[in-house]
Amino acid sequence: GNSVTQMEGPVTLSEEAFLTINCTYTATGYPSLFWYVQYPGEGLQLLLKATKADDKGSNKGFEATYRKETTSFHLEKGSVQVSDSAVYFCALSLGGGATNKLIFGTGTLLAVQP
Amino acid sequence: NAGVTQTPKFRILKIGQSMTLQCTQDMNHNYMYWYRQDPGMGLKLIYYSVGAGITDKGEVPNGYNVSRSTTEDFPLRLELAAPSQTSVYFCASSYGANTEAFFGQGTRLTVV
Repeated sequence: GNSVTQMEGPVTLSEEAFLTINCTYTATGYPSLFWYVQYPGEGLQLLLKATKADDKGSNKGFEATYRKETTSFHLEKGSVQVSDSAVYFCALSLGGGATNKLIFGTGTLLAVQP
Repeated sequence: NAGVTQTPKFRILKIGQSMTLQCTQDMNHNYMYWYRQDPGMGLKLIYYSVGAGITDKGEVPNGYNVSRSTTEDFPLRLELAAPSQTSVYFCASSYGANTEAFFGQGTRLTVV
């Protein structure tokens, strides 16, 4: 079936450290890939997305590249800030019509310390 | 900019009670979704809808019902609340396939 696997947290980093959160997927067909972020007490909001192989999504200093050969979509940021502390979800979306739905990973908690 | 609005934000139910979680969006989106989020388990899809009058089951539909009589509204009904339904519930909407989903603030439900 279709699924998303992401690294377990929590991930604890010092401010200005480099961040990588791994995400791999299993899908029949050619999914679109997303990273969502959830700040404490809030709903999810889209961070970035990529709709085809080799696309790079980027936003707020975060980047992720759609790698079809390794079925991965790892999230990276060169220098994290305390304000980046949140839960990050990798997700995929397949097709349209009656089959369209977002499938999420379990989420990775990021805690950035000053 | 209202976006996706869920009510209530918090609720405590007794076992066997029923309730409806309300969800409305003002973006004229065709697709709407209900998810539940359990600690450490990510989001599980309960039901979704691709347009008014059309609904379909997700991964964990048992114990829930939905309806989609209008484009704007997608209420989720719990008929006989059980402790296993204690969770945070999120409603979301999107314009179409493979497009960004917008989420509500969530409803924290506790069944005792």
